[in-house]
Amino acid sequence: DTAVSQTPKYLVTQMGNDKSIKCEQNLGHDTMYWYKQDSKKFLKIMFSYNNKELIINETVPNRFSPKSPDKAHLNLHINSLELGDSAVYFCASSQEAYRSYNEQFFGPGTRLTVL
Amino acid sequence: QQQVKQSPQSLIVQKGGISIINCAYENTAFDYFPWYQQFPGKGPALLIAIRPDVSEKKEGRFTISFNKSAKQFSLHIMDSQPGDSATYFCAASAQTGFQKLVFGTGTRLLVSP
Repeated sequence: DTAVSQTPKYLVTQMGNDKSIKCEQNLGHDTMYWYKQDSKKFLKIMFSYNNKELIINETVPNRFSPKSPDKAHLNLHINSLELGDSAVYFCASSQEAYRSYNEQFFGPGTRLTVL
Repeated sequence: QQQVKQSPQSLIVQKGGISIINCAYENTAFDYFPWYQQFPGKGPALLIAIRPDVSEKKEGRFTISFNKSAKQFSLHIMDSQPGDSATYFCAASAQTGFQKLVFGTGTRLLVSP
């Protein structure tokens, strides 16, 4: 069984469109994350939710809006897509947010290409 | 500002050799230093991690060496195998507030047969 799953795996779209990526974890974890991995493979946190509450919001354009309907799901909606949004987006989860040494479990990634 | 600096960017090692990847950090509040392994088309996965109360941690062929005074840590892969070919990321997080992993820039390792 997949621990952290994401859909879709690939997303190709035109500039200016709005798109969503969905993430689900079946590990019973309290905390979920969105990361962006750029073309140079640099991995940077975007958002984190703990029990459906937003706890980390890095300097991300407000075109990106995460939503957590319950603690097993974290979605990412992106408005008015730009060329620079092309990247691989990873969802991750960890048992809880309050310890620095939690293992984070990553999903398989969603490769977003904006044309 | 890159809080965790990783080198080299890429590394080619012969099968059976030792792979060494180095990281340096600036924030003295960091107290957890994991290494993640990422295969092409997959998400990163935790390989091994260390906390600053020990100077070395070994799991099988993988060893983390940690030097708190120098604010450096490294990953050693003994008897490197072609199956170890992947991108390796060091990371760090601080025991303040919520866990926020800061990643290094990654090292692409190729182990030649």
